[in-house]
Amino acid sequence: EDQVTQSPEALRLQEGESSSLNCSYTVSGLRGLFWYRQDPGKGPEFLFTLYSAGEEKEKERLKATLTKKESFLHITAPKPEDSATYLCAGGGFGNEKLTFGTGTRLTIIP
Amino acid sequence: DVKVTQSSRYLVKRTGEKVFLECVQDMDHENMFWYRQDPGLGLRLIYFSYDVKMKEKGDIPEGYSVSREKKERFSLILESASTNQTSMYLCASGFRGAFFGQGTRLTVV
Repeated sequence: EDQVTQSPEALRLQEGESSSLNCSYTVSGLRGLFWYRQDPGKGPEFLFTLYSAGEEKEKERLKATLTKKESFLHITAPKPEDSATYLCAGGGFGNEKLTFGTGTRLTIIP
Repeated sequence: DVKVTQSSRYLVKRTGEKVFLECVQDMDHENMFWYRQDPGLGLRLIYFSYDVKMKEKGDIPEGYSVSREKKERFSLILESASTNQTSMYLCASGFRGAFFGQGTRLTVV
């Protein structure tokens, strides 16, 4: 059974304090590792898809990386508007659906 | 930009009612999905569809059904709403359901 585990569950950072969120996965024949941002009461907003180990993608203060067992979402010099829950999900070979982690709730303190 | 639109942001229904949640996408995607999201449990897949009139059960299909008569529209049906179906419902479309709607917060009383 596919599994995706995110850590930590919650993270509080001072504005400007860089850190990383972790997503560990066991997905048969990974065919995509997805990252989303979700604000309270809203649907997830797509950020990145990574397909192979060693791949990196960046968007503003966020950078996602992928190894064979885990993915990291690095946040550099965060601002209060980066506060949100960040979700990761994996899609396996021959499987149209995603398996989601339970998310990391990130709070950036001004 | 991809747009996935859910018909309601908030709904309050009574136990035993038949409930319809509608989702429309404007990007000609073949795949569409329905999830529910509950605190501590994350997103759980209810049903998905990879073509018109085609559907497959997800991880928690019990108490739900779906309809996809047109490519752009995917409906989730609660045959007889129960209080344990109070949740946030999310529709998604695209490759592996990458693009989500804004969600429908359903309360069953």
